[in-house]
Amino acid sequence: AQSVTQLGSHVSVSEGALVLLRCNYSSSVPPYLFWYVQYPNQGLQLLLKYTTGATLVKGINGFEAEFKKSETSFHLTKPSAHMSDAAEYFCAVRSSNTGKLIFGQGTTLQVKP
Amino acid sequence: EAQVTQNPRYLITVTGKKLTVTCSQNMNHEYMSWYRQDPGLGLRQIYYSMNVEVTDKGDVPEGYKVSRKEKRNFPLILESPSPNQTSLYFCASSLSGGFIDTQYFGPGTRLTVL
Repeated sequence: AQSVTQLGSHVSVSEGALVLLRCNYSSSVPPYLFWYVQYPNQGLQLLLKYTTGATLVKGINGFEAEFKKSETSFHLTKPSAHMSDAAEYFCAVRSSNTGKLIFGQGTTLQVKP
Repeated sequence: EAQVTQNPRYLITVTGKKLTVTCSQNMNHEYMSWYRQDPGLGLRQIYYSMNVEVTDKGDVPEGYKVSRKEKRNFPLILESPSPNQTSLYFCASSLSGGFIDTQYFGPGTRLTVL
């Protein structure tokens, strides 16, 4: 069955520090992976997605993620955290049967001044 | 502007009083879906629709109804709301139900059932 696992429900970094949010997937078919961000009191916004081709995917707001098949991972990174990056981040894959998004548990990113 | 809109954004109601949350998208998407988000449980799919007049149950359909009479609209109906339906609801749409299509989310409806 398709699933994604996010390691760490809360991550805290200082402003200007590297952001690393972890996502591992389990899939019996070639994965197409998504990262979404949810700011407080808002809906989910797509950060980036991996379909095929280049394994390093660049998204909005300076985020990027690298697809590593050998490690079944799709970790999200940003070189330098900004206060405005504080939000909840979700890794997801779409179900082949229903089209629903299968989300990880979410990681709340806190950015300290 | 391409978007998914939901109304109302906030709703407080009482047990048993029928309500409808509307969802509309202007991107000519075939696939639409409803999710609810609850602390500790993440986002769970309630119903989805692959196209007009085609709807199907998601993971937590009990107590909900939907309809898809037009491509752009996908209302969520609670015939007799109960307190356990207090939640944050999101409508989403995508070009199709395929693997690679991005789902776009509405801003959410926060429902409280007293």
